[in-house]
Amino acid sequence: NAGVTQTPKFQVLKTGQSMTLQCAQDMNHNSMYWYRQDPGMGLRLIYYSASEGTTDKGEVPNGYNVSRLNKREFSLRLESAAPSQTSVYFCATSRQDYSNQPQHFGDGTRLSIL
Amino acid sequence: SQQGEEDPQALSIQEGENATMNCSYKTSINNLQWYRQNSGRGLVHLILIRSNEREKHSGRLRVTLDTSKKSSSLLITASRAADTASYFCASYEDLGGKLIFGQGTELSVKP
Repeated sequence: NAGVTQTPKFQVLKTGQSMTLQCAQDMNHNSMYWYRQDPGMGLRLIYYSASEGTTDKGEVPNGYNVSRLNKREFSLRLESAAPSQTSVYFCATSRQDYSNQPQHFGDGTRLSIL
Repeated sequence: SQQGEEDPQALSIQEGENATMNCSYKTSINNLQWYRQNSGRGLVHLILIRSNEREKHSGRLRVTLDTSKKSSSLLITASRAADTASYFCASYEDLGGKLIFGQGTELSVKP
């Protein structure tokens, strides 16, 4: 059981380049989330998908787009990367949103933008 | 906006000692959760306490919740070197249903 798988694990981009971070889960969870983690800032929610076919903005959505491709996969896209987007990105899932369910995290994608 | 604030930011203890971490939040919550993050890894859920609960135990973990003070604490008893990690509280808002994370406490347990 892989749980939540994120690819790639590391990436270096130049300012202005685009890329897509992939997240796949085999937990049959309905809800999926993208967070970024910066030193001293904890985790901040970028976008989330309460269920297949829906996506909503979180606290820091600017500069990002998401796609809930199917129940298993939720991708995060940076259209024109900026140095301020250098961060560690985490994908998480929960059985359903608006519930007392814990979230399950992948091991992150470490992204550096030069 | 970030809701959780944790104290202390860093804690260093000897193996066998107890470790206490505190978390404060700002608005009405449905539940509060604690997570552990080992270096270079994702967060792992430890325990969830609902707003109508005051204390909860799981193995060597004890969590308390005081909704009147909008605060929670995590106690790890008889700590081990393997407990070395960052610990995050996350409050689940009543309105909006989002999980808001604190900035974390970095715990170092020396053998």
